[in-house]
Amino acid sequence: AQKITQTQPGMFVQEKEAVTLDCTYDTSDQSYGLFWYKQPSSGEMIFLIYQGSYDEQNATEGRYSLNFQKARKSANLVISASQLGDSAMYFCAMREHDMRFGAGTRLTVKP
Amino acid sequence: EAQVTQNPRYLITVTGKKLTVTCSQNMNHEYMSWYRQDPGLGLRQIYYSMNVEVTDKGDVPEGYKVSRKEKRNFPLILESPSPNQTSLYFCASSLLLADTDTQYFGPGTRLTVL
Repeated sequence: AQKITQTQPGMFVQEKEAVTLDCTYDTSDQSYGLFWYKQPSSGEMIFLIYQGSYDEQNATEGRYSLNFQKARKSANLVISASQLGDSAMYFCAMREHDMRFGAGTRLTVKP
Repeated sequence: EAQVTQNPRYLITVTGKKLTVTCSQNMNHEYMSWYRQDPGLGLRQIYYSMNVEVTDKGDVPEGYKVSRKEKRNFPLILESPSPNQTSLYFCASSLLLADTDTQYFGPGTRLTVL
């Protein structure tokens, strides 16, 4: 069965600095997708970034990038130039068919 | 606007009183799913549907029912709610079931069962 691990329950970062949120996964499939979602205090789930298992380049979306290391089965999210509005819960997810989520990391950006 | 809608957004009820949470998407997505979110556990899948009249159990289906009579709608039914079903519920949809398909989420329904 799929398993997603986010080892950082909480993280702090200074405004304007970069931060890396860790995610490791476990699968025996060769084809899968990796996703990151942001959940602000208002509760909605916002899709941030996607990485396919066959993609050779790391995905980037604006200030978000995904550091994909397939051999290590890790898919860390990097947020550059943190902003106060980045304070939220962040979930890593993997999809082979159904989507499975990690427990999340709460990021707090300090002014 | 492409979206997934859920109603109600907030609900407080009592043990045993049947309730339905509606979910609708306007993106013509084949795949729809229900999750519950509890602190420290992330999101866990309750039920999913790959197409009209096709539904299947997720990881935590006990105490829930679903139906998919139309492509756009996927209601979640709690026949006899219990306090351990107090949670934040999300409906989500994606084009298909492929690993490349992003799931888009509704705004969430916060349910309290007393």
